Amino acid sequence: EADIYQTPRYLVIGTGKKITLECSQTMGHDKMYWYQQDPGMELHLIHYSYGVNSTEKGDLSSESTVSRIRTEHFPLTLESARPSHTSQYLCASSVPGSGVYNEQFFGPGTRLTVL
Amino acid sequence: AQRVTQPEKLLSVFKGAPVELKCNYSYSGSPELFWYVQYSRQRLQLLLRHISRESIKGFTADLNKGETSFHLKKPFAQEEDSAMYYCALSGITGNMLTFGGGTRLMVKP
Repeated sequence: EADIYQTPRYLVIGTGKKITLECSQTMGHDKMYWYQQDPGMELHLIHYSYGVNSTEKGDLSSESTVSRIRTEHFPLTLESARPSHTSQYLCASSVPGSGVYNEQFFGPGTRLTVL
Repeated sequence: AQRVTQPEKLLSVFKGAPVELKCNYSYSGSPELFWYVQYSRQRLQLLLRHISRESIKGFTADLNKGETSFHLKKPFAQEEDSAMYYCALSGITGNMLTFGGGTRLMVKP
């Protein structure tokens, strides 16, 4: 079934740890995105990718990094987690295009808490 | 730069009352506007897009370029409409979305 998967769904970790948030999609989409969302707040784009070996930073500066080695996989890594990284992280994907083809599909999110 | 503003963080109405969630944007070109919705414990999903001129679950939204607004309306709110609603804009780059801060709609019985 075509879907977007994010693991883990919840993560509580100590300061200084390296973490990787996984995002995979079986939608066959080329474009993928990472958003950061604080509770009740707007979504901020932190990374996006147009395809394999393509990664760009989004509007919100982030200390995280991403990679896109496979079309279906877009992991996000924090080398050294800090309490300021506590947030919800949403992964999304879309087909290239505008108009009626312009729709982003979202994963269930990873809620990260850094102690 | 593109920006989306949703002035109300919380909107509370009674069942059967009309609903209007406000959205204003700033963008120098011709934008594509969207409303996304997130129901409790569910994923963020597209509700409707202005280009399709559609009505979804009784909701409609009209793009007013003069007032740079894209307000979401429903004549009679239902309890199941309670959710977080986000207005979003896609500009010249296509696909890239700028989201507003969101409005939580609570429909009371």
